[in-house]
Amino acid sequence: GAGVSQSPSNKVTEKGKDVELRCDPISGHTALYWYRQSLGQGLEFLIYFQGNSAPDKSGLPSDRFSAERTGGSVSTLTIQRTQQEDSAVYLCASSSTVNEKLFFGSGTQLSVL
Amino acid sequence: GIQVEQSPPDLILQEGANSTLRCNFSDSVNNLQWFHQNPWGQLINLFYIPSGTKQNGRLSATTVATERYSLLYISSSQTTDSGVYFCGGSNYKLTFGKGTLLTVNP
Repeated sequence: GAGVSQSPSNKVTEKGKDVELRCDPISGHTALYWYRQSLGQGLEFLIYFQGNSAPDKSGLPSDRFSAERTGGSVSTLTIQRTQQEDSAVYLCASSSTVNEKLFFGSGTQLSVL
Repeated sequence: GIQVEQSPPDLILQEGANSTLRCNFSDSVNNLQWFHQNPWGQLINLFYIPSGTKQNGRLSATTVATERYSLLYISSSQTTDSGVYFCGGSNYKLTFGKGTLLTVNP
């Protein structure tokens, strides 16, 4: 696609529910990243994909968080048993390959009530 | 991991003024990028600049890799320049600073 697409743009959920966030990177981009931005804060790295593999998952905050990427394209970030501290904007970014110019999507605003 | 410090944390300018934003890294990086996050939250890539100097309109950036810092210059600022400026550096994943909040008043 023309840009990095994320869905949904907003998600409101109840504490304890599972959520899935989707990222569709720029076509042909092999590197894909997930970041999290809490209100008024910086960008916190979560996970990095090269193709379908995730060489670096070091930023995932707990085992409630998982992510996968299929077909070297779409990625899904899943948060199980959501907690209020999970509320944040979840940002996806892609680049043609590692260490190239990074392009961000518009993010998913997650609110856990 | 790499630590990234940005300065100043906040900056208020009158329209037409110039400014310099700085980014310091704790270790050498081979990937350095500057971003502008507009008031609606969208992050726009301004520069991919692991070394050297680049210019794009009223904006320019310089990275001195050997001294582990980068500078972003904004000339003749406009109200639309308002937002948060982030720099990120890495050797494969970007680690970001806390950003500089720029407010340009008319």
